Amino acid sequence: DQQVKQNSPSLSVQEGRISILNCDYTNSMFDYFLWYKKYPAEGPTFLISISSIKDKNEDGRFTVFLNKSAKHLSLHIVPSQPGDSAVYFCAALMIKAAGNKLTFGGGTRVLVKP
Amino acid sequence: NAGVTQTPKFQVLKTGQSMTLQCAQDMNHNSMYWYRQDPGMGLRLIYYSASEGTTDKGEVPNGYNVSRLNKREFSLRLESAAPSQTSVYFCASLLSGLNTEAFFGQGTRLTVV
Repeated sequence: DQQVKQNSPSLSVQEGRISILNCDYTNSMFDYFLWYKKYPAEGPTFLISISSIKDKNEDGRFTVFLNKSAKHLSLHIVPSQPGDSAVYFCAALMIKAAGNKLTFGGGTRVLVKP
Repeated sequence: NAGVTQTPKFQVLKTGQSMTLQCAQDMNHNSMYWYRQDPGMGLRLIYYSASEGTTDKGEVPNGYNVSRLNKREFSLRLESAAPSQTSVYFCASLLSGLNTEAFFGQGTRLTVV
C-alpha cells in the first residue's frame, strides 16, 4: 500500500524554464509534506516543506503547492538551472504520540538541459 | 556540525553473515529513521524510533532489527544477510515543528554476495 506516489519517473526541462514535480498521497492524516533533492552517492538534502494547514509555501526558486481536497502537492522550480538535475522525492509526515512516521514517494529524476 | 553520521560507508557481506549499521546524530532530535534505497524504488522505510527505547516497523522491516539505546544513536542490524538486502541504506533524524525537516546521513552501500 503505497501512501505517497510520484507518478512521473522522469522530467526533462530547458534551462530557465519552470520544472513542475507532482506528488499524490492517499492518507488525509498527514501533517506535513517535504521535498528532497538527491544527487548520486549522497544523502537526500531538504528543499522545502509545507504544513497540511497551508496551501502554499515559497523559498527562493522553490514553491510548494498543496491541494488537500485532491490529496496532491506539487513543487515548482523557477527558473530551472543545470545544477537542479537530480532525483526529487516528496515525503509525508504523520505526527503520532507513538512516533513521527515519514514516508517517501518513489522519486522523479529531473534533467535540466542547458 | 556533524549532523547525521553513518558508518560504515561501504560493506560487502557474504550470505548469512551478520552486521550492524551505525547511525548517530548530534542535533538532539527525538525521531530517527532507517531507509533503504533500491534502483527505481525510492526510499523505503525499514524502522523508525520516536525516542530512546521505542521503535516501530516501517514498510519493509523483515530481515532487520533496530536498537535505540540512547537519544543520539539508532543502529540497524542484519542478523543473517541475504542478497535481497543489497541496497543503499540511509539513516535520518527529524526536527518537527515550525520548520519541520529531516536530516540524512551520507548512506551505507551494502552488497551481499
